[in-house]
Amino acid sequence: GQNIDQPTEMTATEGAIVQINCTYQTSGFNGLFWYQQHAGEAPTFLSYNVLDGLEEKGRFSSFLSRSKGYSYLLLKELQMKDSASYLCAVRDAGSARQLTFGSGTQLTVLP
Amino acid sequence: EAGVVQSPRYKIIEKKQPVAFWCNPISGHNTLYWYLQNLGQGPELLIRYENEEAVDDSQLPKDRFSAERLKGVDSTLKIQPAELGDSAVYLCASSRGHANTEAFFGQGTRLTVV
Repeated sequence: GQNIDQPTEMTATEGAIVQINCTYQTSGFNGLFWYQQHAGEAPTFLSYNVLDGLEEKGRFSSFLSRSKGYSYLLLKELQMKDSASYLCAVRDAGSARQLTFGSGTQLTVLP
Repeated sequence: EAGVVQSPRYKIIEKKQPVAFWCNPISGHNTLYWYLQNLGQGPELLIRYENEEAVDDSQLPKDRFSAERLKGVDSTLKIQPAELGDSAVYLCASSRGHANTEAFFGQGTRLTVV
């Protein structure tokens, strides 16, 4: 099975930088995804990491350390519209290659 | 390109009644997922299809839940009979493959069982 931990809530100020951490324990590893979900809407894909290191995509970056079972999502130049839940999801390496989501981190961006 | 389409958007039913949800995935996506999401939680996988074959239904409560994807495109998820604890958002997602590709989600069906 898999166990994924991420903080429940975070608050940051518009224009700032915020880092959302995710730790995981899995019987095998085959990739980590970050999704953004606004209230009442569908999750939307942000990033995918399968190798160690940093993946940058505009204001958003995601980092992975497989040996530590750790990832973070970095959001720069925060905007009010970034207020949302951020979901970390891990795919295991078993035959079913199950994708398991964490409970999400609710980010509130304040003016 | 149209996204994943789900209907209905909202559904309210009395307990013990049946209910069905429908999903039309993105064209060309052979992998389809049904997830359940409770308030404040992440999505939990119910079933995954590769074309018309259910390849992972280990999390599906088979005593009351069923799903089908007869022609490998649209899919329906059914609950019969519904229980109060089934109140949640039911999300459908699709992807081109399963291994290294992201899934695209529909807006979900919010089910309330009273």
